[in-house]
Amino acid sequence: QLQLQESGPGLVKPSETLSLTCTVSGGSISSSDYYWGWICQAPGKGLEWIASIHYSGRTYYNPSLKSRVTISIDTSKNQFSLTLSSVTAADTAVYYCGRRASGRNWFDPWGQGTLVTVSS
Amino acid sequence: QSVLTQPPSVSAAPGQKVTISCSGSDSNTGNNYVSWYQQLPGTAPKLLIYEDDKRPAGIPDRFSGSKSGTSATLGITGLQTGDEADYYCGTWESSLSAEVFGGGTKLTVL
Repeated sequence: QLQLQESGPGLVKPSETLSLTCTVSGGSISSSDYYWGWICQAPGKGLEWIASIHYSGRTYYNPSLKSRVTISIDTSKNQFSLTLSSVTAADTAVYYCGRRASGRNWFDPWGQGTLVTVSS
Repeated sequence: QSVLTQPPSVSAAPGQKVTISCSGSDSNTGNNYVSWYQQLPGTAPKLLIYEDDKRPAGIPDRFSGSKSGTSATLGITGLQTGDEADYYCGTWESSLSAEVFGGGTKLTVL
């Protein structure tokens, strides 16, 4: 079945750029029926959507994060990635990647998540 | 502060029924599908209900979803201790072209 796996550094210094990759296995990222997204969850807090991308390159961003976020996709590697610039301690969170049904407003499945801590 | 409003917590005894509400507006829940997610402690969220009232394969029929106007509801019957988790609703916010989630509801099975 389809699986998603996040990877990237677990520790990032303040003001630097956070970079994460989500590897999709068990299915193709080049499906017109789905978007691929990132969601974060600060310790003890709720879910916050960051961005989503379609294999065609179409993107959607959380307006509150848009100025610092870039989402990209590499269909040859079946991966999509997230960069978040100028990070602060407030960006410390578990970052999840997920598949989102196009026009259907649901994410499934989700990756297991990766904790990123912003600290010097 | 979340665009979608959920009660912070709910509780009920094993075997009982509980409902969790998700209140929004015309620009989100009122005109877009609502999904529900279960997040067990220390794990990733899992899709529980999609398109307002549909259950993915493998989700027991103890879990149900409904929507009326701008409010969606998750119902859980026959509560089990294993249902203790955080529950989130989610939908599309048309005015922002953005995904939005509720603040989450912690379910305690007493």
